[in-house]
Amino acid sequence: DARVTQTPRHKVTEMGQEVTMRCQPILGHNTVFWYRQTMMQGLELLAYFRNRAPLDDSGMPKDRFSAEMPDATLATLKIQPSEPRDSAVYFCASGSGQGSNEQFFGPGTRLTVL
Amino acid sequence: DAKTTQPPSMDCAEGRAANLPCNHSTISGNEYVYWYRQIHSQGPQYIIHGLKNNETNEMASLIITEDRKSSTLILPHATLRDTAVYYCIVLSGTSYGKLTFGQGTILTVHP
Repeated sequence: DARVTQTPRHKVTEMGQEVTMRCQPILGHNTVFWYRQTMMQGLELLAYFRNRAPLDDSGMPKDRFSAEMPDATLATLKIQPSEPRDSAVYFCASGSGQGSNEQFFGPGTRLTVL
Repeated sequence: DAKTTQPPSMDCAEGRAANLPCNHSTISGNEYVYWYRQIHSQGPQYIIHGLKNNETNEMASLIITEDRKSSTLILPHATLRDTAVYYCIVLSGTSYGKLTFGQGTILTVHP
């Protein structure tokens, strides 16, 4: 059945390194969301796209984070340079945007920055 | 979007109904009530949503009070796999799906 996929599932990196997380939304969905989950902050919305255009990235630290949708089947979230405080689980979700706010979440990327 | 209040934790016996409450006293007329859950180590999962009428699907039932200031999610026959954090979220139709997750209710289903 249709699912949101995310790669990698786990990433361990050292402070200062670039990290790229990828998401493949469900085919036909036109809205894509990036969330971050930590024990302290819970689930937070970082950015979202509609029809590949960024609509809101106010939840994202602009100096080091960037989100893009090179095409309708790929969304990326990059952190450069990474810091230990970026350690979290990053979830991608997609939605059809057809009058419902039902979102389908991927399994997440668990990022550890040493 | 309106703020929600949920109990931090609840217990339920397997096979019994789990009734999870949510207060949203500042909800406005165009705001929907959404429920998601997150099973350990997984991404959140949509359960159900409603505006003012009660709703039922294969997963759960949603009961919204007449004044819409509170709602209850009902899992009619809870199983161990229903152990999860349950989030109640209020969202307007023009929010473009910007879900704001609170702390939710940790539901533990016991054998």
